[in-house]
Amino acid sequence: KAGVTQTPRYLIKTRGQQVTLSCSPISGHRSVSWYQQTPGQGLQFLFEYFSETQRNKGNFPGRFSGRQFSNSRSEMNVSTLELGDSALYLCASSLTRKNTEAFFGQGTRLTVV
Amino acid sequence: KNEVEQSPQNLTAQEGEFITINCSYSVGISALHWLQQHPGGGIVSLFMLSSGKKKHGRLIATINIQEKHSSLHITASHPRDSAVYICAVSSNTGNQFYFGTGTSLTVIP
Repeated sequence: KAGVTQTPRYLIKTRGQQVTLSCSPISGHRSVSWYQQTPGQGLQFLFEYFSETQRNKGNFPGRFSGRQFSNSRSEMNVSTLELGDSALYLCASSLTRKNTEAFFGQGTRLTVV
Repeated sequence: KNEVEQSPQNLTAQEGEFITINCSYSVGISALHWLQQHPGGGIVSLFMLSSGKKKHGRLIATINIQEKHSSLHITASHPRDSAVYICAVSSNTGNQFYFGTGTSLTVIP
């Protein structure tokens, strides 16, 4: 059974650009959540999608957005990139929304220069 | 105040030692997760707990719901156990995680 796949693994962007990251969950999993990890702030919740609907959102500016497709694949988009957006972006998939184990992808390391 | 507090932040142990990492949380949870992160970033879920105790090989995780506290124990530690261990709780209002700051473990041969 394939794990959670995140693409790309590494990305370098310039300030002001926008970026789209992709997450393919484990087959059959319908919940996808996104996290940002930085050395200073640790892991922080971005948003959660279930059945193509955003169910929860963390405390991030509107530049961070996402969506989920009918096959449960999810994308997150960051517009007008800032240096502080440099981070490891992780997604996790789980079967349902509660009381189920989460499986993490390897992450996308974004560097903004 | 962080919803999840972990201790210690850093831990160095000799190979073979018994290791304990502690986690306290302040929010209502549906489950508590122990995660392992190796250099390079990939995160592996070690345990998901909602009560009692679980054991996988040399790893044991316990949770006390009343005291809002969990511990991760590693018996007979090995250098390959060197990693960052992260405690996370999934809230009882949905699939949102709150994370501890992690414990960086180094096991010396």
